[in-house]
Amino acid sequence: GAVVSQHPSWVICKSGTSVKIECRSLDFQATTMFWYRQFPKQSLMLMATSNEGSKATYEQGVEKDKFLINHASLTLSTLTVTSAHPEDSSFYICSARPGLSSNQPQHFGDGTRLSIL
Amino acid sequence: AQKITQTQPGMFVQEKEAVTLDCTYDTSDPSYGLFWYKQPSSGEMIFLIYQGSYDQQNATEGRYSLNFQKARKSANLVISASQLGDSAMYFCAMRVPNYGGSQGNLIFGKGTKLSVKP
Repeated sequence: GAVVSQHPSWVICKSGTSVKIECRSLDFQATTMFWYRQFPKQSLMLMATSNEGSKATYEQGVEKDKFLINHASLTLSTLTVTSAHPEDSSFYICSARPGLSSNQPQHFGDGTRLSIL
Repeated sequence: AQKITQTQPGMFVQEKEAVTLDCTYDTSDPSYGLFWYKQPSSGEMIFLIYQGSYDQQNATEGRYSLNFQKARKSANLVISASQLGDSAMYFCAMRVPNYGGSQGNLIFGKGTKLSVKP
């Protein structure tokens, strides 16, 4: 149980393109999902917390207009990288936690490798 | 401030031997959770083990055990009987308390790259 699906797993596109990444909790409902970014050989850095039915909470230094987050249902959150540029190339990974209990682990999607040419 | 420190960028271990991956944390909150995740080269994050700050016993999950020393603020991961498939990045993470405007998100250490030698 507690499976998180992330799609697509790999994106290569031209500079200026907007890219949408989907994160789905397949067998549980998640009122909160998290979006992380990971540069090569570095740790995961939280970008934003996605809240179902309300605005996302962004971490300091993350551009809200650049990284649009929509959490329209209890099983789906989307991250849209708008007008992507080469510096946006990175590994993006989402996670969700089943239930409200804080000792529940976050379950991660398989990540999306984004390459902007 | 909340912080996770993993001081070992890389570790080598012989197959079938045990290995300890270090993790220290810093928080002023009495309620927190500590997690270990494994990240193979393919990228996915695999949950391994959890330790709550109020748990009396050290957590164990199969070949994984967590050496929790609260006074030292350390939560080292012990992998027994290492296997070739254990080669991966290992991240220690701390859950930010789920109140006070936070959402219970995780703070990650920089990770330790474990290589198991045949």
